[in-house]
Amino acid sequence: GAGVSQSPSNKVTEKGKDVELRCDPISGHTALYWYRQRLGQGLEFLIYFQGNSAPDKSGLPSDRFSAERTGESVSTLTIQRTQQEDSAVYLCASSLRGVYHGYTFGSGTRLTVV
Amino acid sequence: DQQVKQNSPSLSVQEGRISILNCDYTNSMFDYFLWYKKYPAEGPTFLISISSIKDKNEDGRFTVFLNKSAKHLSLHIVPSQPGDSAVYFCAATRDDKIIFGKGTRLHILP
Repeated sequence: GAGVSQSPSNKVTEKGKDVELRCDPISGHTALYWYRQRLGQGLEFLIYFQGNSAPDKSGLPSDRFSAERTGESVSTLTIQRTQQEDSAVYLCASSLRGVYHGYTFGSGTRLTVV
Repeated sequence: DQQVKQNSPSLSVQEGRISILNCDYTNSMFDYFLWYKKYPAEGPTFLISISSIKDKNEDGRFTVFLNKSAKHLSLHIVPSQPGDSAVYFCAATRDDKIIFGKGTRLHILP
């Protein structure tokens, strides 16, 4: 597609439930990133996929968070046993590797854990 | 440990005047610095970047200055326009990752 697409745009879930967030990157972009922005905070790096290389998971805050990407296509971010502190906007970005000005973000998924 | 710091959470500037957004960083290994702009309910959009080997990059109304000895960069917008009201994120790249500051909310006053 023309841009990075994320779904759902909004998600309200009960504490303790699992959620799955989806990202469709720009076709041909080999790199895919997940970030989150909690209220009043900056963008926090979560995970980075580059082609078929092992993902960089160094930003995942706990083992309740996991992400998958098949090849250079869709990625899903899964949060298990959600907690209220997981409430945030989760942003996905994609790029061609090394093209730092070409990181394109989606509009994000606003997750609210009640 | 915040590697990219934006110490001003908000800034108000009169329309037509110069807006100056500041950013400090701690890691001398960053290779590119970027500015992103974000409107409510939208993802950040890339604005301008500068390589760590340069000290200035200009694109229309936007100019980024890099002072490596002070580990400081700034974004100048001149003249400021109403559509510039947004949150601006300073960011730096290292190992294929972008590290963002907390952002500065810019208000352009009529």
